[in-house]
Amino acid sequence: DIQMTQSPSSLSASVGDRVTITCQASQDISNYLNWYQQKPGKVPKLLIYDASNLETGVPSRFSGSGSGTDFTFTIGSLQPEDVATYYCQQYDNVQCTFGQGTKLEIK
Amino acid sequence: QITLKESGPTLVKPTQTLTLTCTFSDFSLTTSGMGVGWIRQPPGKALEWLALIYWDDDKRYSPSLKSRLSISKDTSKNQVVLTVTNMDPVDTATYYCAHYVSDGYRDAFDIWGQGTMVTVSS
Repeated sequence: DIQMTQSPSSLSASVGDRVTITCQASQDISNYLNWYQQKPGKVPKLLIYDASNLETGVPSRFSGSGSGTDFTFTIGSLQPEDVATYYCQQYDNVQCTFGQGTKLEIK
Repeated sequence: QITLKESGPTLVKPTQTLTLTCTFSDFSLTTSGMGVGWIRQPPGKALEWLALIYWDDDKRYSPSLKSRLSISKDTSKNQVVLTVTNMDPVDTATYYCAHYVSDGYRDAFDIWGQGTMVTVSS
């Protein structure tokens, strides 16, 4: 089974800060990595697919990078509406796996 | 626009079988590249992927839950059904179904249902 290790588990930052979340796969997953945002009490929303591609309609302050086993999700300039829990998710021909989530708060 | 909605019991007893239905609109599970998956989220915890069914009836299951899960589709009704056997209180969660796109351009859960909360208790 492929395990996804996401860090940090929680994060507090100021409006305007650059925020980075990492996700590490237990084996090479190429670029088969997505990022989701789940605001409190809401349904998850796809932000980034294939590690670095921005989903249509998602603000450009969100970005992703990486391949193989190490991936990074970045918010270029944190906004108040970005308070949420962020999840990475890998997919291969056998299974999908979500990371444990990163809860992002505003200082 | 694509929509999905989960339905099923809100309360089940331990050892019972849970049957959830996902009814969707504005896409067909006969179209190449389409799929529907199930994901659950215990209160205050992370998302956990359960199962996925593709347009060609290929099915994928979480390895840790595979023995308890079954996913099927009824393309005439635009529905996907998930059954989970031998329910336990640890299975208490919000269960989501989601549209999965696998079209060579994206492989992702791009549209989610609102979720349905299932409590396991005697």
